[in-house]
Amino acid sequence: GQNIDQPTEMTATEGAIVQINCTYQTSGFNGLFWYQQHAGEAPTFLSYNVLDGLEEKGRFSSFLSRSKGYSYLLLKELQMKDSASYLCAVSVRRGTDKLIFGTGTRLQVFP
Amino acid sequence: DAMVIQNPRYQVTQFGKPVTLSCSQTLNHNVMYWYQQKSSQAPKLLFHYYDKDFNNEADTPDNFQSRRPNTSFCFLDIRSPGLGDAAMYLCATSSYGTDRYGYTFGSGTRLTVV
Repeated sequence: GQNIDQPTEMTATEGAIVQINCTYQTSGFNGLFWYQQHAGEAPTFLSYNVLDGLEEKGRFSSFLSRSKGYSYLLLKELQMKDSASYLCAVSVRRGTDKLIFGTGTRLQVFP
Repeated sequence: DAMVIQNPRYQVTQFGKPVTLSCSQTLNHNVMYWYQQKSSQAPKLLFHYYDKDFNNEADTPDNFQSRRPNTSFCFLDIRSPGLGDAAMYLCATSSYGTDRYGYTFGSGTRLTVV
């Protein structure tokens, strides 16, 4: 089966750095995504990793280790607007691609 | 702008009364997905279409059906909604093969069952 795990909740202070971890066990791995989702809204794309290593995009970075089934999302210089749920999602391919989501991590940023 | 549009944004239906949610896209993507997301949970894939080929998830209840009359439109039909079907329903699209731009999501339809 497919299994994607993340911490349920995290808290951090404005201006700080936070790392959200994701571990996965899936078949047909075809890339890993991170999405941000504010309450009541649709997920928005943050990052995509298909090869091992770090992808940096402004205040957000994402890391992937395929051999370990592990990824993390790093958020720097936290802002209040970063309070949201962060979803780790793995693309699996069996014929066509489909995106399987982890349980999501709710991040609260405090002043 | 090219996008994925879901209508309506909010839908209230009566217990047991059939309801249809709609999704349209201007991206000309081959694949369209329907996800169900309950409060504080991750989106759960219900089914997807690759062109006209329908792919159902093994644990999707028979109560949920889908239609894709053409590339642009996809519908989610709930034949007899129960209270447990209250959720946000998300439509997403992708071109064939995962690419670095990810899947494009619509704004979702929040379904309330009364």
